[in-house]
Amino acid sequence: AQRVTQPEKLLSVFKGAPVELKCNYSYSGSPELFWYVQYSRQRLQLLLRHISRESIKGFTADLNKGETSFHLKKPFAQEEDSAMYYCALSGKAAGNKLTFGGGTRVLVKP
Amino acid sequence: KAGVTQTPRYLIKTRGQQVTLSCSPISGHRSVSWYQQTPGQGLQFLFEYFSETQRNKGNFPGRFSGRQFSNSRSEMNVSTLELGDSALYLCASSLEPKGAYGYTFGSGTRLTVV
Repeated sequence: AQRVTQPEKLLSVFKGAPVELKCNYSYSGSPELFWYVQYSRQRLQLLLRHISRESIKGFTADLNKGETSFHLKKPFAQEEDSAMYYCALSGKAAGNKLTFGGGTRVLVKP
Repeated sequence: KAGVTQTPRYLIKTRGQQVTLSCSPISGHRSVSWYQQTPGQGLQFLFEYFSETQRNKGNFPGRFSGRQFSNSRSEMNVSTLELGDSALYLCASSLEPKGAYGYTFGSGTRLTVV
């Protein structure tokens, strides 16, 4: 069965410091991996997906198939990055449904 | 273009009642998925519809059901409500079932069962 693990429930960093959100997954095959973000009082929205290899709002994520990880990184955190972040996985082996991790709350302090 | 629209935004029901939630996907999106979000269990997949057919179902009891109409709008129904059904129910749409381009979520319907 597919599974997504986000080991940190809360990450607190100062503005300008680097931030890294960990995501590990288990899946048989080639998954599609995503990071979703939920800002306060806003809907869940897609931040980035691994297939596009893009950088959104300064965030990047690298898929490491050997370590089955998809960590999210930003070199200089901003206060507006404070939000709930979810790593998610989908794939053909599980009917393409999205499986979410438990989420990591990021708090960027001034 | 309009996003994913869920109605109603809030609902309060009593145990034993049933409830129907509605979701209108982004125009052109034919895949609609439903998720339950609770503080304890996080985001859990309920089911997915594509072209009026249920393609996938999560591990929820049969009290949870859904359907999709020819215009891609979807409804989910929960019968014989229990206190534990209190949650935020999220609908998400995508162009196709694989969701490789990501899913767009609605604001959700917050259901409170008393």
